[in-house]
Amino acid sequence: GENVEQHPSTLSVQEGDSAVIKCTYSDSASNYFPWYKQELGKRPQLIIDIRSNVGEKKDQRIAVTLNKTAKHFSLHITETQPEDSAVYFCAAQMPNTGNQFYFGTGTSLTVIP
Amino acid sequence: EAGVAQSPRYKIIEKRQSVAFWCNPISGHATLYWYQQILGQGPKLLIQFQNNGVVDDSQLPKDRFSAERLKGVDSTLKIQPAKLEDSAVYLCASSQSTGGEQYFGPGTRLTVT
Repeated sequence: GENVEQHPSTLSVQEGDSAVIKCTYSDSASNYFPWYKQELGKRPQLIIDIRSNVGEKKDQRIAVTLNKTAKHFSLHITETQPEDSAVYFCAAQMPNTGNQFYFGTGTSLTVIP
Repeated sequence: EAGVAQSPRYKIIEKRQSVAFWCNPISGHATLYWYQQILGQGPKLLIQFQNNGVVDDSQLPKDRFSAERLKGVDSTLKIQPAKLEDSAVYLCASSQSTGGEQYFGPGTRLTVT
């Protein structure tokens, strides 16, 4: 079936360093890839997204890259801060299954002051 | 603009009891999603509505779960009877259309004892 794999499951970085989270997807028809940040006990919040006609998108310290050929996309956070600590989820929207969103299993990011 | 509203925020029931969750999407959003998020996992889609019609319910355990969106606005998700493994956070999300950004509600944390 359709799925999205996400790695790593946990990530610890020193404040100021960069963090990279990677996801792969199975359906080559997938065309929309959002990233969500979820703090403990709170709702997932969209932080950045990318569509399949674009290879890279940047918003201040956050960037997402997409490799359609390899069917993977990555989240890059630069100059990490303690408030970046949260669980991050990638997702892929798959038009062949009613535009369903399939989520990765999450990456727990800890930024050490 | 007001966000997605859900109630109740917390619910504790015994197994074999029934429970219902309510969701009010962002005004004007045609697409509504119900997700189940088990602790430590990504959200899993249960059902997706477009206005008052079901787009996808392939992952909804129909022997015990039901959902409706009769007037194409609010939605309710019901579990009857509940099992221990139904303990999770139930997230509602909405988007303007099936290809659009999703906005999540705060979720309902269900504990089945």
